[in-house]
Amino acid sequence: AQTVTQSQPEMSVQEAETVTLSCTYDTSESNYYLFWYKQPPSRQMILVIRQEAYKQQNATENRFSVNFQKAAKSFSLKISDSQLGDTAMYFCAFMSPVRAGKSTFGDGTTLTVKP
Amino acid sequence: EPEVTQTPSHQVTQMGQEVILRCVPISNHLYFYWYRQILGQKVEFLVSFYNNEISEKSEIFDDQFSVERPDGSNFTLKIRSTKLEDSAMYFCASSEVGGSGNEQFFGPGTRLTVL
Repeated sequence: AQTVTQSQPEMSVQEAETVTLSCTYDTSESNYYLFWYKQPPSRQMILVIRQEAYKQQNATENRFSVNFQKAAKSFSLKISDSQLGDTAMYFCAFMSPVRAGKSTFGDGTTLTVKP
Repeated sequence: EPEVTQTPSHQVTQMGQEVILRCVPISNHLYFYWYRQILGQKVEFLVSFYNNEISEKSEIFDDQFSVERPDGSNFTLKIRSTKLEDSAMYFCASSEVGGSGNEQFFGPGTRLTVL
């Protein structure tokens, strides 16, 4: 079974600075998908960024980028130029193509952006 | 922009009662999911559904749970006899394709409180 580990329960960053959230996972599969979701206080789950395991290039979405290290099974999220609206819980998630879309989530990291 | 909707936003019920949580997925999506999040904990997969059948379910999804697509638009989760530990946020999600890394679009959630 796949497992996803987020070792940082809470983090904080000053506005406009950069922060990196860690995620590691365990799987025996070679093809899979990784996601970072944001859950603000409203509790709505919002997709931040997605990475396909067969792509070596790290995904980037505006201020959000990932450092995907397949051999190390590591998938960290970097947020540049942090904004107050980035304050939220961030979940790392794993999806196997053979499990009908089932996503396995980490425990989450609560990020607070301070003014 | 199309979105997943869920009703009600908050449901309060007595232990042992049946509840039905409703979701309207995005109209051209074919795969549907239910997840739950106990307060302060990780998001947990319950079930995936495609072509009027369950594709995958977790160990949480026991005989007390069922899903149905009663018409062309709604996707429901029924809990037959609620327990205190069923209190959680329940998220519905949908995707165009399952298992290929397609983004799952999440609804805003239904908060279920079992007294």
